[in-house]
Amino acid sequence: QQQVKQSPQSLIVQKGGISIINCAYENTAFDYFPWYQQFPGKGPALLIAIRPDVSEKKEGRFTISFNKSAKQFSLHIMDSQPGDSATYFCAASADSWGKLQFGAGTQVVVTP
Amino acid sequence: ETGVTQTPRHLVMGMTNKKSLKCEQHLGHNAMYWYKQSAKKPLELMFVYSLEERVENNSVPSRFSPECPNSSHLFLHLHTLQPEDSALYLCASSHSGGGEDTQYFGPGTRLTVL
Repeated sequence: QQQVKQSPQSLIVQKGGISIINCAYENTAFDYFPWYQQFPGKGPALLIAIRPDVSEKKEGRFTISFNKSAKQFSLHIMDSQPGDSATYFCAASADSWGKLQFGAGTQVVVTP
Repeated sequence: ETGVTQTPRHLVMGMTNKKSLKCEQHLGHNAMYWYKQSAKKPLELMFVYSLEERVENNSVPSRFSPECPNSSHLFLHLHTLQPEDSALYLCASSHSGGGEDTQYFGPGTRLTVL
C-alpha cells in the first residue's frame, strides 16, 4: 500500500513558469515532510523540508505548502529554469529510525 | 572521495551469479541504508543499519544479503537473482538515523539481471 501518493507523474513547463507537484498521505503520525531532487545519473538530494506546525516554507524559488487538515502538501517551483529539470520525490516520516516513505516521483522538464 | 560512493556503477549478471554491491560514506555518519529504485515507483527501503547493527529489514527476499562491517561501509550481496530484481540500487547515509536526519544518497548501481 502506497503511503504517499504523488502527482503528476510528469510535468512540462516553460522557462519562467511555475511547476506544482502535489502529494497526499493517510498516516496522521507523519511529522516530517522532505522533498528530494534527483538528476539523471545521480542519487536523490534533499531540496527542502517542512514540519506540520507550519503551513508554508520558502527557500529561494522553492516553496512547500502544507495543509494538515487535508493531509496534503505541495512543492512550488517559481520562475522555473532549465537547470530545474529533474525528478522530484516527496516523502514523509514518522519513525525515529528515519524510515522515509517516498512518493513515486514527478519528472519535471523545463523548456527554454 | 567525498559524500557517498557506490561501486560498481553498472552490473549485469545472470540468474545464477553471485555478486556484491559496495557503498562507502565519507561523512562520518552512523546510519546507512539500501534502497531499490524502479521506474515510476516509490523508492523502496530495503535495509537500515545504525552503528553497524541492522535495525530494519523490509521483508526483503533472502537472495539479498546485507553486510555492514563498520559505520563507513555497507555491502549488498546478491545471489540467484530474478529478472524483476533489475533496478537502480541506492545507498544512503545519515547522521544518526533519526526521523528528521537528512539522508545523503550515492549515485546508485544500475543492476540488470538476465
